[in-house]
Amino acid sequence: NAGVTQTPKFRVLKTGQSMTLLCAQDMNHEYMYWYRQDPGMGLRLIHYSVGEGTTAKGEVPDGYNVSRLKKQNFLLGLESAAPSQTSVYFCASSYEVDTQYFGPGTRLTVL
Amino acid sequence: AQSVSQHNHHVILSEAASLELGCNYSYGGTVNLFWYVQYPGQHLQLLLKYFSGDPLVKGIKGFEAEFIKSKFSFNLRKPSVQWSDTAEYFCAVKGNNRLAFGKGNQVVVIP
Repeated sequence: NAGVTQTPKFRVLKTGQSMTLLCAQDMNHEYMYWYRQDPGMGLRLIHYSVGEGTTAKGEVPDGYNVSRLKKQNFLLGLESAAPSQTSVYFCASSYEVDTQYFGPGTRLTVL
Repeated sequence: AQSVSQHNHHVILSEAASLELGCNYSYGGTVNLFWYVQYPGQHLQLLLKYFSGDPLVKGIKGFEAEFIKSKFSFNLRKPSVQWSDTAEYFCAVKGNNRLAFGKGNQVVVIP
């Protein structure tokens, strides 16, 4: 099992560009999450999903959109990137609201 | 909404010293608590969790945590740290369809 994988691992964007981060899990988990991690701020939940076709807002959803068309995939989109979105993004999945399994992260820099 | 506060964000210790990290939570429902660890350059992984039963929970690598309901606390301890325990430690509480994470404790162990 690969667990939770994230694509890409690194990305540099210019302000105003768009991109999509892909998260995939092979554990048949219902719940999937997107977090951002910033120094001194801990992990902040952006969006999450409790099952295929569902999404919900977390603490810091502004500027991001998500989709969960397939159970194993959870996509995070930035429509118009801003420097404030420079961060490390982690995806996680879980069977229920229980132990979350995290991906390796995507380091995004917005210039 | 659930929340977690962690104290002493930066901790520097010598090898063989004892470690205790504080975690206080706020949540009105059934309490499920977690400690996660993030080693340098890696993703978060579960250290231990409490759902019910014995309030003293033992996790991996010699870590343990004690749930004290009257104090709304779930402090993490290790009697004798090693250099390899250098990491960031996050406390989390389960809430509605999600986990709420604290801001983390950066622990540096000096050989």
